[in-house]
Amino acid sequence: AQKITQTQPGMFVQEKEAVTLDCTYDTSDQSYGLFWYKQPSSGEMIFLIYQGSYDEQNATEGRYSLNFQKARKSANLVISASQLGDSAMYFCAMRDPYGGSQGNLIFGKGTKLSVKP
Amino acid sequence: ETGVTQSPTHLIKTRGQQVTLRCSSQSGHNTVSWYQQALGQGPQFIFQYYREEENGRGNFPPRFSGLQFPNYSSELNVNALELDDSALYLCASSLETSGRGQFFGPGTRLTVL
Repeated sequence: AQKITQTQPGMFVQEKEAVTLDCTYDTSDQSYGLFWYKQPSSGEMIFLIYQGSYDEQNATEGRYSLNFQKARKSANLVISASQLGDSAMYFCAMRDPYGGSQGNLIFGKGTKLSVKP
Repeated sequence: ETGVTQSPTHLIKTRGQQVTLRCSSQSGHNTVSWYQQALGQGPQFIFQYYREEENGRGNFPPRFSGLQFPNYSSELNVNALELDDSALYLCASSLETSGRGQFFGPGTRLTVL
């Protein structure tokens, strides 16, 4: 069964520095998709970045990049030049093709990022 | 283009009651997924609706049911509420069933006393 593991319950980073949030996944499928979402205290899940298993290059979206290491089954999120507004929960997720539908997501437990001024 | 909206924002119910949560999908999106997020956990998939039909279900009992309307808005109904149903309920809409690009609403926080 698909599984997402985020081993860092909380992380601190100094403003303007880069930070890496870890995510490992478990799947026996060759085709899969990986996502990162940001959840501020307001509760809304904000899509950040997507990586397909067959994508040859690591995904990037502005200050967000995904360090995709397929052999290690890791998909770490890198946030460059951290801002105070980046303080939030961050969730790694994988699309589950066996959940009875083609579109549901399996989430990790999340990492709480705190950016210090 | 309006985003995903959910109502109500907060809700307090007592054990045994029934509750209906509502979700309006983003304009043009025909797929709605519902997730339950307990405190300190990641969201868990409840079910998905595609063109008014249930298109998959997670590990939730039948007292969790849903509907999708012709305008693609959706309802989540929970009967016989239990204390463990207290959670943030998130609705996500997308244009296709592939899961890529799911856009989430702000959620409804349900408290069961």
